Amino acid sequence: GQSLEQPSEVTAVEGAIVQINCTYQTSGFYGLSWYQQHDGGAPTFLSYNGLDGLEETGRFSSFLSRSDSYGYLLLQELQMKDSASYFCAPENGFQKLVFGTGTRLLVSP
Amino acid sequence: EAGVAQSPRYKIIEKRQSVAFWCNPISGHATLYWYQQILGQGPKLLIQFQNNGVVDDSQLPKDRFSAERLKGVDSTLKIQPAKLEDSAVYLCASSLDRQSSYNSPLHFGNGTRLTVT
Repeated sequence: GQSLEQPSEVTAVEGAIVQINCTYQTSGFYGLSWYQQHDGGAPTFLSYNGLDGLEETGRFSSFLSRSDSYGYLLLQELQMKDSASYFCAPENGFQKLVFGTGTRLLVSP
Repeated sequence: EAGVAQSPRYKIIEKRQSVAFWCNPISGHATLYWYQQILGQGPKLLIQFQNNGVVDDSQLPKDRFSAERLKGVDSTLKIQPAKLEDSAVYLCASSLDRQSSYNSPLHFGNGTRLTVT
């Protein structure tokens, strides 16, 4: 079967660092993507991990451990504009992404 | 590059009526997806096209939903007849190819917000 777990909500203050964890169980796992979605907006691609380890893109980093079926998204130097929903999306190899319910990040001043 | 275009932006219909959504993907993107996103949930894949062929429609409620991608470019998604539970945002996405998300992530349109009363 398939399962995906992320925290439903995370709160933090501007300038802080926050980590959003994701555990998954899928068949035919190829990689893990992260998408950001502001209220009323379209999901936008943030990061992809095909191999174990850390991928860094500016203030955002993403980590994957295939053996643990676990990944996380790390957001540094938080800004108000980072308030959004964040989705981890495992890929089964055919660019078929499974989105969970996402994590709502609230950044306060 | 121009993004994924969708229309209409909003649609309100009564149950049992029909509705159609249109999507124009990014030029050159071979793969096109329709997702349904119910409020408070993540996007759920309805159908995936590679050029004008269907790759995956396992989660498409085929008794009421249909989609086509003629000529491998634009796509339309139709619901007939609509039910109250179809109220959602319908997102279209496209990607360059099917090999990997590493170099061809999904690009989403702004979606069509459907309200069924």
